[in-house]
Amino acid sequence: DTAVSQTPKYLVTQMGNDKSIKCEQNLGHDTMYWYKQDSKKFLKIMFSYNNKELIINETVPNRFSPKSPDKAHLNLHINSLELGDSAVYFCASSPMEGRGLAGTYNEQFFGPGTRLTVL
Amino acid sequence: TQLLEQSPQFLSIQEGENLTVYCNSSSVFSSLQWYRQEPGEGPVLLVTVVTGGEVKKLKRLTFQFGDARKDSSLHITAAQTGDTGLYLCAGAGQFYFGTGTSLTVIP
Repeated sequence: DTAVSQTPKYLVTQMGNDKSIKCEQNLGHDTMYWYKQDSKKFLKIMFSYNNKELIINETVPNRFSPKSPDKAHLNLHINSLELGDSAVYFCASSPMEGRGLAGTYNEQFFGPGTRLTVL
Repeated sequence: TQLLEQSPQFLSIQEGENLTVYCNSSSVFSSLQWYRQEPGEGPVLLVTVVTGGEVKKLKRLTFQFGDARKDSSLHITAAQTGDTGLYLCAGAGQFYFGTGTSLTVIP
């Protein structure tokens, strides 16, 4: 009965390769996110999708391309991997879109993370 | 990007001690959340504070939102080993996370 799942858990690959990380949520949420957590544990938003539409793209290189085939899935494809892409990537979902407007807030449910190591 | 600075960055204490973690920003937030992340897992929401000056209690954890809604604190009373983890504050639609406080409670 996993709420937010990601595959794979670990990913080790060579520089220059292309890889994908998959994310699925069974909570019925409308909004999904991708975050990157670096070695200093800083968690940074990358993308947010609401009902399959991109609503946030935070200055992420265009080598990163999110794909949402339906509102339960948000996959992350990375082209031409670089050493600096090594990090833990978290997928998350929430019941509604929250843009920080006054009075809006909601809980995000995170997946277990994918540790990407680029050699 | 709205920067949320947390302090201290690292904290190691004995079981039974009390501690306070701070989350500060120069920006005003409509709401602020605290998450805890355990090793190998994703963050889990602990609380959301909405009103300036608000205090919320969750068993041994006390959360406070500053009057000006620019800062927040998390106080843990009589820390237990199960409190060990990374504590993160988040604001502005909860997309922007703080720099994190890594807490280790030693038995």
